[in-house]
Amino acid sequence: SQQGEEDPQALSIQEGENATMNCSYKTSINNLQWYRQNSGRGLVHLILIRSNEREKHSGRLRVTLDTSKKSSSLLITASRAADTASYFCATEDGSSNTGKLIFGQGTTLQVKP
Amino acid sequence: DAGVIQSPRHEVTEMGQEVTLRCKPISGHNSLFWYRQTMMRGLELLIYFNNNVPIDDSGMPEDRFSAKMPNASFSTLKIQPSEPRDSAVYFCASSLHRESQPQHFGDGTRLSIL
Repeated sequence: SQQGEEDPQALSIQEGENATMNCSYKTSINNLQWYRQNSGRGLVHLILIRSNEREKHSGRLRVTLDTSKKSSSLLITASRAADTASYFCATEDGSSNTGKLIFGQGTTLQVKP
Repeated sequence: DAGVIQSPRHEVTEMGQEVTLRCKPISGHNSLFWYRQTMMRGLELLIYFNNNVPIDDSGMPEDRFSAKMPNASFSTLKIQPSEPRDSAVYFCASSLHRESQPQHFGDGTRLSIL
């Protein structure tokens, strides 16, 4: 079963606007990761936030994690047409050390030029 | 440095045929994952290996699916016999077997079973 649930399922914005995607999960985790998938390509790792971290930045990306609410958000600032892709959150189970990830269903982001 | 390499990129075959998908992980990575992606079910983990040993194959849909990793630089996913419902994109990913490591994905094999 899917661990992560992304919200919204689809998002359409204008270039230059910010995009926010949310992810909820159900069990304890070691970390939460965000990936991007361009059409016809594999997933690309964007950022990882550990369970003891609350916020992390990487370039135009900002990720927050609230373990009490079992939720995370990904903010892309000053979006570009090239950011058009599907975005997935993935959680690593906190009860094991296997590296196994459970992926959500993803948010499809369209950035209009 | 080369990423994860999958072959073929596209495969179209008739139902009942055997299908073999191939994956070369990133050199030095000791964990390998096979996923299947469909519109209906999203991204599903089929099986993963640590140090060439299958650890969890609970995601493999049926006995028609099998996976092997004969050495650290090669893995196969085989479907025999194939059925139309197996049509999907199959991804291979690799990582270092340590906590909090990202997975590196290949570009997938788009499989169509007619």
